[in-house]
Amino acid sequence: NAGVTQTPKFQVLKTGQSMTLQCAQDMNHNSMYWYRQDPGMGLRLIYYSASEGTTDKGEVPNGYNVSRLNKREFSLRLESAAPSQTSVYFCASGQTYSNQPQHFGDGTRLSIL
Amino acid sequence: EDQVTQSPEALRLQEGESSSLNCSYTVSGLRGLFWYRQDPGKGPEFLFTLYSAGEEKEKERLKATLTKKESFLHITAPKPEDSATYLCAVHVQGGSEKLVFGKGTKLTVNP
Repeated sequence: NAGVTQTPKFQVLKTGQSMTLQCAQDMNHNSMYWYRQDPGMGLRLIYYSASEGTTDKGEVPNGYNVSRLNKREFSLRLESAAPSQTSVYFCASGQTYSNQPQHFGDGTRLSIL
Repeated sequence: EDQVTQSPEALRLQEGESSSLNCSYTVSGLRGLFWYRQDPGKGPEFLFTLYSAGEEKEKERLKATLTKKESFLHITAPKPEDSATYLCAVHVQGGSEKLVFGKGTKLTVNP
């Protein structure tokens, strides 16, 4: 079972470039999430989508946009990358209102020079 | 403000030396508490869910417990393969599906 799949696994960008991180889940979950993980900061929520067609801001949304393409796919876009966005990005999925755990992908390691 | 604090930040054990990791939380209302394991270069892997004070869950050498203010992850006779970062997260009452994560405890078990 694939679970949550993220692409790419690694990426290096120059300041000002744009890119989209892709995430897909095959667990038929309604909710999907984007987090960033920085040393000493823990996991911080960027955006989430509680159902197809809805998105909401998390703790650190500035500089990011998201698209819930369908029930399976949730993408994160950096329109104009900044060095402060160098981080490891994780996508997760879960079942809305079930109080069940979220399941995570293996992350995208993004460096912005 | 909802907060989750994990201690210690890092813990070194000898193989077979049992210990506990702590996760204390200050939230408006707890719907559930989750423990995850994270290996280097990987995403968090779900271990346990605890819903109410007094609840306990076990898996191999790990046992998670919950009180009204904190949770413990007890590791009995650890092995080197238990080395990882352990994350605690809480699901808060109020209708949001968001989790609040602690910063994690990095566990190293030496052979």
